[in-house]
Amino acid sequence: AQRVTQPEKLLSVFKGAPVELKCNYSYSGSPELFWYVQYSRQRLQLLLRHISRESIKGFTADLNKGETSFHLKKPFAQEEDSAMYYCALSGAGANNLFFGTGTRLTVIP
Amino acid sequence: DAMVIQNPRYQVTQFGKPVTLSCSQTLNHNVMYWYQQKSSQAPKLLFHYYDKDFNNEADTPDNFQSRRPNTSFCFLDIRSPGLGDAAMYLCATSGRVSYEQYFGPGTRLTVT
Repeated sequence: AQRVTQPEKLLSVFKGAPVELKCNYSYSGSPELFWYVQYSRQRLQLLLRHISRESIKGFTADLNKGETSFHLKKPFAQEEDSAMYYCALSGAGANNLFFGTGTRLTVIP
Repeated sequence: DAMVIQNPRYQVTQFGKPVTLSCSQTLNHNVMYWYQQKSSQAPKLLFHYYDKDFNNEADTPDNFQSRRPNTSFCFLDIRSPGLGDAAMYLCATSGRVSYEQYFGPGTRLTVT
């Protein structure tokens, strides 16, 4: 069965400090991994997905199949990064998304 | 702007009284989803439509039904809401070949 684990419910960092939001997954096939973000009073939206291997708003995430992880990283956190971040998994070719419980990131000025 | 719209944003219903939540989209996407999100929990997929094909998740209670009369609209019907059904209900859409899902703002359901 698929599972997405985000071990930190809350994470606080100072502005300018590096940030890493952890995500581990369990899936028997070849998953697609995603990070979704929800800013205050906004809807849930896609931040990035592992297939595109791009940097969005300074964030990157590398899929580590050996460690079954997909941690989200940014070298210098900004105040506008404060939001709820969800890691999500989908089976290849499938429409279903399985979400983790989310990590609320607060960037302290 | 093309978007996903959910009405109402807040819905209060009585225990056992049927309730319908609605979702519409202007993105012309093939796939529409309904998620349930309880406090401090992950959004949980209830079902989705791929065009007119309905796909129910195995653990979605029978109390939850859905209708998709056309491409633009999708409804979530809760036949006999219980206190445990109080949650945020999220509608999302995606295109045929895209894994990106576009979410609506959600409807917060309260059961009294």
